[in-house]
Amino acid sequence: DAKTTQPPSMDCAEGRAANLPCNHSTISGNEYVYWYRQIHSQGPQYIIHGLKNNETNEMASLIITEDRKSSTLILPHATLRDTAVYYCIVRAFMDSNYQLIWGAGTKLIIKP
Amino acid sequence: DTEVTQTPKHLVMGMTNKKSLKCEQHMGHRAMYWYKQKAKKPPELMFVYSYEKLSINESVPSRFSPECPNSSLLNLHLHALQPEDSALYLCASSQTLTPGLAINEQFFGPGTRLTVL
Repeated sequence: DAKTTQPPSMDCAEGRAANLPCNHSTISGNEYVYWYRQIHSQGPQYIIHGLKNNETNEMASLIITEDRKSSTLILPHATLRDTAVYYCIVRAFMDSNYQLIWGAGTKLIIKP
Repeated sequence: DTEVTQTPKHLVMGMTNKKSLKCEQHMGHRAMYWYKQKAKKPPELMFVYSYEKLSINESVPSRFSPECPNSSLLNLHLHALQPEDSALYLCASSQTLTPGLAINEQFFGPGTRLTVL
């Protein structure tokens, strides 16, 4: 069963912040939230991950609500090269192993 | 070197053919993965190898046969495939499967686009 829900598509103007929401209302206390993106015709690329606290790296920021039921990925200054499908993922413990449970993805289109 | 390479980029095969997909990484990672991705869908996990041993098989049909000959190489042998097996096959690697590692970031290759006629 999907652990995350995302809007199927979003637009954002070049140079503006892109805010991608994700709901994960059934997440367990020790399950991490990961974000990957997939640019057309390429393999997925890791962006960021978090458990409880907000996180920032050179690519993006991840804001997780206090109840951990949702999160937002922020690309602070979107460029045309950020056009991709963005996947919100929960790392869950299943069948004696940690596995990535992928959401359906949000297709983000950056417009000039 | 943070690259996962996959060959071939494209493969067309008939239902009676036998072919193999190859994946290679030189990051010293000890966990390697095969995923299948259909158009407009997220990747689906097929197999996971940890320290060259099969750790996870997600009930994949036996016409797909994985092999991990050493810590840098991962193969997927294909035999008697069906047209519905046409998809993008992605290989990935990560440091380990150790639960205590918070990141365990998976590095993906560009994939092999497989078409079964």
